[in-house]
Amino acid sequence: GQQVMQIPQYQHVQEGEDFTTYCNSSTTLSNIQWYKQRPGGHPVFLIQLVKSGEVKKQKRLTFQFGEAKKNSSLHITATQTTDVGTYFCAGPRDSNYQLIWGAGTKLIIKP
Amino acid sequence: GAVVSQHPSWVICKSGTSVKIECRSLDFQATTMFWYRQFPKQSLMLMATSNEGSKATYEQGVEKDKFLINHASLTLSTLTVTSAHPEDSSFYICSAGDLGGSYNEQFFGPGTRLTVL
Repeated sequence: GQQVMQIPQYQHVQEGEDFTTYCNSSTTLSNIQWYKQRPGGHPVFLIQLVKSGEVKKQKRLTFQFGEAKKNSSLHITATQTTDVGTYFCAGPRDSNYQLIWGAGTKLIIKP
Repeated sequence: GAVVSQHPSWVICKSGTSVKIECRSLDFQATTMFWYRQFPKQSLMLMATSNEGSKATYEQGVEKDKFLINHASLTLSTLTVTSAHPEDSSFYICSAGDLGGSYNEQFFGPGTRLTVL
C-alpha cells in the first residue's frame, strides 16, 4: 500500500546548527504537507507544497518538493530552542482528504 | 486558522468501562473529521474517518465495535472507546478539514490522553 517514509527518526543538534528531515513517498503525490508537534502538544500545520520542484521559505525554514513529486525535505537554518519538536510530513490518499503520515523526525537541542 | 476543540483533555478510567471523547470544530463546518491515536514517540495512526450523516470508515485492524464513532452534526464527532482495557491507553487526537480554506490541511484538536487502569 501507499507509504510515506521519513528519516531520520531523531536528530540531535547544538543550538545554532542546521537541521534537515527527509520524506519519501512510494507514490507520486498531488501535494505534501508538513506539520510540527511540540512535546505534549498536537500537530500544527506548517505548509503545503503542490508544484513539482517547489521551494518555499518561512523565515529559517525551507521546504522543498521534488521534481517527481515523491520526495520532500524540510531544512531549518540555525536552530533555536523554539524549534524543538517533532516534524511530520504527510501526503494525501486518493480520496476523502485522508493523509498518510511519515514517522516524524524529532529535533532535539543538545544542552 | 480554524479551531478544533477536544474534550476531555485527559481521562483515567477503570478497565471495562466506556469513555466518550468529543471533537468539535468551533468556527467552521467539518463534513469530515479524522480520529488518530498516537503512542509515545510514534507517529499518528489513522483510526477512522468520520463522515457527517453516514457511517465512519475504519482503517484496517481497527475494531469498529470497540471504537464507536458518531458524527451527528457538521461540528461534532464523538469517539467512544467501549469496554476499555489497559492496551487502549493512548493519546487520541481528532482533526478536521476546513473545506473552505486555502489548503486541504487538517486542523487538530489538542488531544485526549486516555489511561485505563
